[in-house]
Amino acid sequence: DAKTTQPTSMDCAEGRAANLPCNHSTISGNEYVYWYRQIHSQGPQYIIHGLKNNETNEMASLIITEDRKSSTLILPHATLRDTAVYYCIAWGGNFGNEKLTFGTGTRLTIIP
Amino acid sequence: KAGVTQTPRYLIKTRGQQVTLSCSPISGHRSVSWYQQTPGQGLQFLFEYFSETQRNKGNFPGRFSGRQFSNSRSEMNVSTLELGDSALYLCASSPGQGRGTDTQYFGPGTRLTVL
Repeated sequence: DAKTTQPTSMDCAEGRAANLPCNHSTISGNEYVYWYRQIHSQGPQYIIHGLKNNETNEMASLIITEDRKSSTLILPHATLRDTAVYYCIAWGGNFGNEKLTFGTGTRLTIIP
Repeated sequence: KAGVTQTPRYLIKTRGQQVTLSCSPISGHRSVSWYQQTPGQGLQFLFEYFSETQRNKGNFPGRFSGRQFSNSRSEMNVSTLELGDSALYLCASSPGQGRGTDTQYFGPGTRLTVL
């Protein structure tokens, strides 16, 4: 699975959009971009994933560049409960390969 | 649909003891993966089970083992506990079909403290 690079930490004002970048320049054609977040000492929570098209769900939007070398997770109206560590993962999803490789993630702090 | 459940949520053991952690996957999911999370090493993959067979294994010593039952519930066991085994142990389940939409969903974790 491709290595991902994320900023160590970010701040965002409450009510504003939080934009979290992720670099995955070595991603291969069959690897999906997954985002999870982890609130202190809880299990990681799935947010969203995509292959090449932009995706949106009730939690967030995922924008993947055309060359697929980077992506941005957008939380449209950040609340204090969005304070967490956000992990970007490139995963091939091949049969028999369920291993997710977590990096250090981005610690997002929402400022009141 | 109920999420992934893990029991117990908290556990305190002493060095040399053994421990068994349990995970019940989301209904219909056949793959169960286990991860260890520590402040120093982050989230690390332990192993994955699918249809009662271990399919993948991470780089952990043989003291860490697991199994999966016919109802997809899984247990992991750690024998001869060491202080460094203190961690949050996470279980994740997925359908296990290996497609890109095969999202893994995590349980709340078991916090193990070894004294």
